[in-house]
Amino acid sequence: GAGVSQSPSNKVTEKGKDVELRCDPISGHTALYWYRQRLGQGLEFLIYFQGNSAPDKSGLPSDRFSAERTGESVSTLTIQRTQQEDSAVYLCVIWMAPTDTQYFGPGTRLTVL
Amino acid sequence: AQTVTQSQPEMSVQEAETVTLSCTYDTSENNYYLFWYKQPPSRQMILVIRQEAYKQQNATENRFSVNFQKAAKSFSLKISDSQLGDTAMYFCAFMKHVGGANSKLTFGKGITLSVRP
Repeated sequence: GAGVSQSPSNKVTEKGKDVELRCDPISGHTALYWYRQRLGQGLEFLIYFQGNSAPDKSGLPSDRFSAERTGESVSTLTIQRTQQEDSAVYLCVIWMAPTDTQYFGPGTRLTVL
Repeated sequence: AQTVTQSQPEMSVQEAETVTLSCTYDTSENNYYLFWYKQPPSRQMILVIRQEAYKQQNATENRFSVNFQKAAKSFSLKISDSQLGDTAMYFCAFMKHVGGANSKLTFGKGITLSVRP
């Protein structure tokens, strides 16, 4: 939605390479989430940031995955030593508490060859 | 941990007819939100309808309405007068607290709805 942009929109990489996915959310958001969606599947929670609290990393599938948020704005999801099973769409979602509104980014489609 | 179950992987409905998509969830919380999202082939997730657990009245949005049964932990979506543009994948989702700690969205696996002309 208009509240979130993601880049790149598509990324093709070779197995073993590192990739960095970026999420640019609207300012003033309350919480930011990363989800993974494999082809034809539901959304799998990866990580969640809110304010200055420690992020909830309980969904990260392995230590090859990490994410950061700069201040309360840009977030990056990094996947090291990519594997073919990492191929999916990675979605960034934000929550705006004042309006109780969620915004979904358009996603980054990652293909690992 | 919260879980959301959508047991029907796909459904088909004739244009102008009514279809109901099922969703059940499991939680020990008393206050929470439930959502139905639509994801068309464009991949952009669209909020269809949401329900606050503390409200007894079922939410409605034009042709979309829900049947929220809190005790049964059931949250079905009814689409009336189905249109070709309703063809999409539909996800049921749960959120424990609005913007509070640990308020991640938990999604079901989704259901593919096809509207036949």
